[in-house]
Amino acid sequence: AQKITQTQPGMFVQEKEAVTLDCTYDTSDPSYGLFWYKQPSSGEMIFLIYQGSYDQQNATEGRYSLNFQKARKSANLVISASQLGDSAMYFCAMREGLSSGSARQLTFGSGTQLTVLP
Amino acid sequence: DGGITQSPKYLFRKEGQNVTLSCEQNLNHDAMYWYRQDPGQGLRLIYYSQIVNDFQKGDIAEGYSVSREKKESFPLTVTSAQKNPTAFYLCASKGRDGGSYEQYFGPGTRLTVT
Repeated sequence: AQKITQTQPGMFVQEKEAVTLDCTYDTSDPSYGLFWYKQPSSGEMIFLIYQGSYDQQNATEGRYSLNFQKARKSANLVISASQLGDSAMYFCAMREGLSSGSARQLTFGSGTQLTVLP
Repeated sequence: DGGITQSPKYLFRKEGQNVTLSCEQNLNHDAMYWYRQDPGQGLRLIYYSQIVNDFQKGDIAEGYSVSREKKESFPLTVTSAQKNPTAFYLCASKGRDGGSYEQYFGPGTRLTVT
């Protein structure tokens, strides 16, 4: 079974509008973290935002917020006031076993290509 | 500036040749990782290392080898046994938990084997 599912291969949004990128996950571990990364066409992976499974509040970082619904196992990324520079591939990722302190890997979804229209 | 460097950015090799991809970090991170990305797909873990002289196989380790002789360096060798080596390779590192959990990525190396 897929551990991270991103069902939107591509999304379009008008400049200055908000957009939600979907991510659902599957784990039986009670201690996990969810991450969103941005990958522009140049290829580097840019960390955007993190949500821990025990965090009570949804994470926010500037124009990025994470809509964390634990019971639904979803961790959608919301980008407010989209800018042309937001056009990129966006990846949701999960790390299980946070409490173990080990260097566990990130498991990535297949990504969503976001295009911001002028 | 602290960060992760990968060189070269583009690499071309003939089939049957081994090739080594460089990854260096000056973030004083203990853990380092190698991922492979194919077009239109997410990242898949090849190898990771939690500490010097120790490394573990990831999901797709076959045809690859690594070494971790120094904390700063985690080179990846793509051997001739790797059936489909053409891909984008990303190196990452992570500090100890308790501070932040995210992995920091290098700019990547695009390998083309013909």
